[in-house]
Amino acid sequence: QSVLTQPPSASGTPGQRVTISCSGSSSNIGTNTVNWYQQLPGTAPKLLILNDNQRPSGVPDRFSGSKSGTSASLAISGLQAEDEADYYCGAWEDSPNGYVFGTGTKVTVL
Amino acid sequence: EVHLVESGGGLVQPGGSLRLSCAASGFTFSSYWMSWVRQAPGKGLEWVANIRQDGNEIYYVDSVKGRFIISRDHTKNSLYLQMNSLRAEDTAVYYCARCWYYGSGGDVWGKGTTVTVSS
Repeated sequence: QSVLTQPPSASGTPGQRVTISCSGSSSNIGTNTVNWYQQLPGTAPKLLILNDNQRPSGVPDRFSGSKSGTSASLAISGLQAEDEADYYCGAWEDSPNGYVFGTGTKVTVL
Repeated sequence: EVHLVESGGGLVQPGGSLRLSCAASGFTFSSYWMSWVRQAPGKGLEWVANIRQDGNEIYYVDSVKGRFIISRDHTKNSLYLQMNSLRAEDTAVYYCARCWYYGSGGDVWGKGTTVTVSS
């Protein structure tokens, strides 16, 4: 199975906008929806964005997702200290069938 | 409230076996796909396996095919992962997750159970 490629790190000051990219291929992002997960230190992952750009109930609208072709992006607007975490994208991959996660991006609030 | 609670982790020698369990509550367990996802120490997330609501459609990551078996018991609202022929590289925190469809990753996650494969 493939792995989706993310930058290892991103950072910003409080209030800034941070964007994280997720690069895949025609067999995963190109044909299936993308989800994003937030993992705070020492905790389980939490679903942040589903189906490319939908926020589950309770997720602040500071978080937004988008997709174009074989790439996706997560944007965090109005960065806050509590946003400091690891972020992972994920998508189903066809042939071979399986779910693939991104390499992960550590977001630091300066 | 929706809850997933994993158990069964521990220290096992290379070549050994372990059975993980995930107890589900607060939702209709039989209506959802379920997944196991693992995270090696200091590493990223790795999907391990998915199982359909009726248990008749299952997918595995290549690295565990032939060694791990995912299963579910609706009478106990529980998900299982039978892990055989364990290797050092299977050392990880194992999470179970509820999936809204086969390709969804997971919308609800447990807190995980730790598996350490070492002699």
